[in-house]
Amino acid sequence: GESVGLHLPTLSVQEGDNSIINCAYSNSASDYFIWYKQESGKGPQFIIDIRSNMDKRQGQRVTVLLNKTVKHLSLQIAATQPGDSAVYFCAEIPNNNDMRFGAGTRLTVKP
Amino acid sequence: DAGVIQSPRHEVTEMGQEVTLRCKPISGHNSLFWYRQTMMRGLELLIYFNNNVPIDDSGMPEDRFSAKMPNASFSTLKIQPSEPRDSAVYFCASSFGGVETQYFGPGTRLLVL
Repeated sequence: GESVGLHLPTLSVQEGDNSIINCAYSNSASDYFIWYKQESGKGPQFIIDIRSNMDKRQGQRVTVLLNKTVKHLSLQIAATQPGDSAVYFCAEIPNNNDMRFGAGTRLTVKP
Repeated sequence: DAGVIQSPRHEVTEMGQEVTLRCKPISGHNSLFWYRQTMMRGLELLIYFNNNVPIDDSGMPEDRFSAKMPNASFSTLKIQPSEPRDSAVYFCASSFGGVETQYFGPGTRLLVL
């Protein structure tokens, strides 16, 4: 088996605080981005998306910011709750169905 | 809708054995994707089908891996012979259209000893 693995960045926040999770993408031609949430033992779940012609998009308690100049994506979660604890990762899509996933960030919410 | 269904949820096998992972996509979806997730490499697309036809299998690691979609409601991913480095969580996802609206199944956790 594998004894050395990818060490996920971690973010630990207090319940009620805001969380910011960052992602750097690689392809300047990517025109669509998705944030996924993956809870332990489950598959990734769509949270929010954004197209490259936008720099901000808001959902319920979540906001995605896109900075194409530096190829950076961020996910902001307002009033973080224990149920938000999960691994969050971004995905970029330069061409239809040619999706690339980031490594992910593990968010832990302390009650 | 029950969502994407995968079976088995866990599989432990010995090196050299054949492994078959199964997926039932969401009814009405016409695209199906197989992914592999490991700590080393994260989430990787292996292959995807559109209308039961394989469109892109460039992510399939090697000839030991094969995938089929005999009809719109069933797909298999087969590894023969399996090796310890195949140990991972394998996800199936489906969508109506492309990757943008895909829904993931719960995954199959494979351990090859």
